[in-house]
Amino acid sequence: AQSVSQHNHHVILSEAASLELGCNYSYGGTVNLFWYVQYPGQHLQLLLKYFSGDPLVKGIKGFEAEFIKSKFSFNLRKPSVQWSDTAEYFCAVNAQGSARQLTFGSGTQLTVLP
Amino acid sequence: GAVVSQHPSRVICKSGTSVKIECRSLDFQATTMFWYRQFPKQSLMLMATSNEGSKATYEQGVEKDKFLINHASLTLSTLTVTSAHPEDSSFYICSARQGARTEAFFGQGTRLTVV
Repeated sequence: AQSVSQHNHHVILSEAASLELGCNYSYGGTVNLFWYVQYPGQHLQLLLKYFSGDPLVKGIKGFEAEFIKSKFSFNLRKPSVQWSDTAEYFCAVNAQGSARQLTFGSGTQLTVLP
Repeated sequence: GAVVSQHPSRVICKSGTSVKIECRSLDFQATTMFWYRQFPKQSLMLMATSNEGSKATYEQGVEKDKFLINHASLTLSTLTVTSAHPEDSSFYICSARQGARTEAFFGQGTRLTVV
């Protein structure tokens, strides 16, 4: 079975600071990787996803993530955060070719101070 | 993206009563729907997977007689928490997927409080 670790539980940044949220997964096979964002009071939204190909994935709102297979990592980055990026961020994984749904990390609460 | 609507967003019920939560895909046919539970400061934990017209597949440790799932149509799945107790208080989230696509879309969640 796969598992996902997000080591940062709460990150506080000032506007314009750079962001990197860590995500590591555990699974012996090939995976699909996702980052979701949950703004206060709203549902989960997909930020970006990696299935195959270029390990550097660009998503919405200026976010990107890099898949490093040797490190089992899929860290989320943004060069300059905004107050509106305050939200909870979830990393998720599922096994390629599997009909099963995603396994989520515990989430990282990002607070951006104006 | 596709829209998944979950209702109600918040419900308070008395211990011993049953509560039904609806999950609807508004603009696509959801062949598969998933129900998650999220405890405070914790991750989403998959409870069950339901395919339209079939019995739901429950994850280990989830009581199927307590959490009844019905997926009678391609746009609607329901989760009924039967004989609810305070320990069932949680945030329940559904997601829906169309066909073999691996991307799923999420409802806004239901905050259940059992008093």
